[in-house]
Amino acid sequence: NAGVTQTPKFRILKIGQSMTLQCAQDMNHNYMYWYRQDPGMGLKLIYYSVGAGITDKGEVPNGYNVSRSTTEDFPLRLELAAPSQTSVYFCASSYSSGPRDRGYGYTFGSGTRLTVV
Amino acid sequence: GENVEQHPSTLSVQEGDSAVIKCTYSDSASNYFPWYKQELGKRPQLIIDIRSNVGEKKDQRIAVTLNKTAKHFSLHITETQPEDSAVYFCALESPNAGGTSYGKLTFGQGTILTVHP
Repeated sequence: NAGVTQTPKFRILKIGQSMTLQCAQDMNHNYMYWYRQDPGMGLKLIYYSVGAGITDKGEVPNGYNVSRSTTEDFPLRLELAAPSQTSVYFCASSYSSGPRDRGYGYTFGSGTRLTVV
Repeated sequence: GENVEQHPSTLSVQEGDSAVIKCTYSDSASNYFPWYKQELGKRPQLIIDIRSNVGEKKDQRIAVTLNKTAKHFSLHITETQPEDSAVYFCALESPNAGGTSYGKLTFGQGTILTVHP
């Protein structure tokens, strides 16, 4: 049981390049999320998904796209990288049902540190 | 969208002292309030959470209190130890207009806690 696996851990992109951040979970969680964390700041939601084939925008979706073809995978796509997208990206997954006192029990991936130059 | 204010931004205490971090929010629809601990270069980890049907929850040296009327909740750490040094984030669930959150969280800006031996 690996939990939430993110790849790559580090990446440097040039302005205008594209890349996909990979995220996979093996806990059969329906809910998955992408957050970004800028230096000295809290996490901001980019996109989320409540199940395969269902995605929706979060607080800061501009410049990103997602897809959810399977329960396990939730990749995040940057089409035209900009310096403003320099950040640490965290993928997370959580329960969608269960005992109310369980909370949403986020499991975070280890993060991807992205620098756009 | 939801707004969460977290104070203080930095907190320095001596080992054995108590530490208190407070968050205020504006959306009365929020019903779930987790706290995360993030060590340097690591992923955030859930340390305690509370739902709106209780006013206080305790887990060993950590407690969270909630005042829904005043729209604030606080993290209390007693008998602090150097290994408590980290960044602490409050968060709350962010319901859609229809009242469903799908586990989406809005995070505070973080508090850097330093515990001096």
